Amino acid sequence: TQLLEQSPQFLSIQEGENLTVYCNSSSVFSSLQWYRQEPGEGPVLLVTVVTGGEVKKLKRLTFQFGDARKDSSLHITAAQPGDTGLYLCAGLTGGGNKLTFGTGTQLKVEL
Amino acid sequence: DAGITQSPRHKVTETGTPVTLRCHQTENHRYMYWYRQDPGHGLRLIHYSYGVKDTDKGEVSDGYSVSRSKTEDFLLTLESATSSQTSVYFCAISVRTGEASGYTFGSGTRLTVV
Repeated sequence: TQLLEQSPQFLSIQEGENLTVYCNSSSVFSSLQWYRQEPGEGPVLLVTVVTGGEVKKLKRLTFQFGDARKDSSLHITAAQPGDTGLYLCAGLTGGGNKLTFGTGTQLKVEL
Repeated sequence: DAGITQSPRHKVTETGTPVTLRCHQTENHRYMYWYRQDPGHGLRLIHYSYGVKDTDKGEVSDGYSVSRSKTEDFLLTLESATSSQTSVYFCAISVRTGEASGYTFGSGTRLTVV
């Protein structure tokens, strides 16, 4: 079983602060995806990174794929209460287009 | 946006009874998946399908079966529900394949086995 470890598990910060969430594995993935989930809903895809070293930006969110394609990070600049949610990383494995999910980081941004 | 609906949204059932959850998509996507989400475990793959009548097991398939008789419907059955199967179940479709793939998830079914 390929494992994806996310850290931290929980993060509570004030509006305007910056934060980074990490996603690490001993396995190589062909791509890495980040999802955000709100209570009572399914995860929603934020971004897919494919190439080792790739950096993608989505407004205040910056995603990076490690050079060896085993790890990834999500950096949020000037967090807002609307960023509150569960952030999940997921690695694409071989056949069947299957994703292995990390255990998630629960983020709470307070006013 | 890909249309994907799950039913029911909530269900309470007794231990030992059979339960079927339904996932319906509107856009003829080939790949469909069933995951369960539990605190401390994240999302774990139960079964997936890569076409009509083509299914395979995931990481936590024991006690579950699936069927896909039509492209648009993917059914998950708990033959004899147990308390350990109390969970939130999510269906997903893969809207792209290969390295750029991404999933669209349904809103989930909260199942409680008493």
